[in-house]
Amino acid sequence: AQSVTQLDSQVPVFEEAPVELRCNYSSSVSVYLFWYVQYPNQGLQLLLKYLSGSTLVKGINGFEAEFNKSQTSFHLRKPSVHISDTAEYFCAVSEGYGNKLVFGAGTILRVKS
Amino acid sequence: GAVVSQHPSRVICKSGTSVKIECRSLDFQATTMFWYRQFPKQSLMLMATSNEGSKATYEQGVEKDKFLINHASLTLSTLTVTSAHPEDSSFYICSAVTGSSYNSPLHFGNGTRLTVT
Repeated sequence: AQSVTQLDSQVPVFEEAPVELRCNYSSSVSVYLFWYVQYPNQGLQLLLKYLSGSTLVKGINGFEAEFNKSQTSFHLRKPSVHISDTAEYFCAVSEGYGNKLVFGAGTILRVKS
Repeated sequence: GAVVSQHPSRVICKSGTSVKIECRSLDFQATTMFWYRQFPKQSLMLMATSNEGSKATYEQGVEKDKFLINHASLTLSTLTVTSAHPEDSSFYICSAVTGSSYNSPLHFGNGTRLTVT
């Protein structure tokens, strides 16, 4: 069975500072990995995804993530955050793109001015 | 891009009544739709997977007689919460996929916040 662990429930950071949101997964097979963002009372928006190929994946809004198979991690990074990045971020794993996703518990990113 | 519309966005109902939530794919045919539930400050939990024209597959612990799912067409799936109780109050989100290959993208609706009084 797959599982996703997001180690930080909340991450406070000052505007224009870099940020890393951590995600570790476990699975017995090859997986596809995703990061989603959720703004209050809204659905999820896909930030980026890893299916295959280059382990460094670039997404929308300046975010990127690196797939590390040996460490079973898929951490999300942004070199300089904005107030508008304040939201909840979910890491998710799927054994087949388009199949059902297993989500982590989420990390609330709070960007302060 | 592909759009998934969920209606209503918010609903308040009295205990014992039933509520229907619609999930529509506006510009693509959704062969499969997923229904998730999100409790406050928690992650999304998959409730069920529905394929057009067939019965939904429910996750362990989800009462299929309470959460009725119908996927009658390639653009519409409905979730009906029957005899709702306050503990059913939650944020319900649907997602839709256009195909079954690994290239099939998954699109989410904006969710429905259900409050049962």
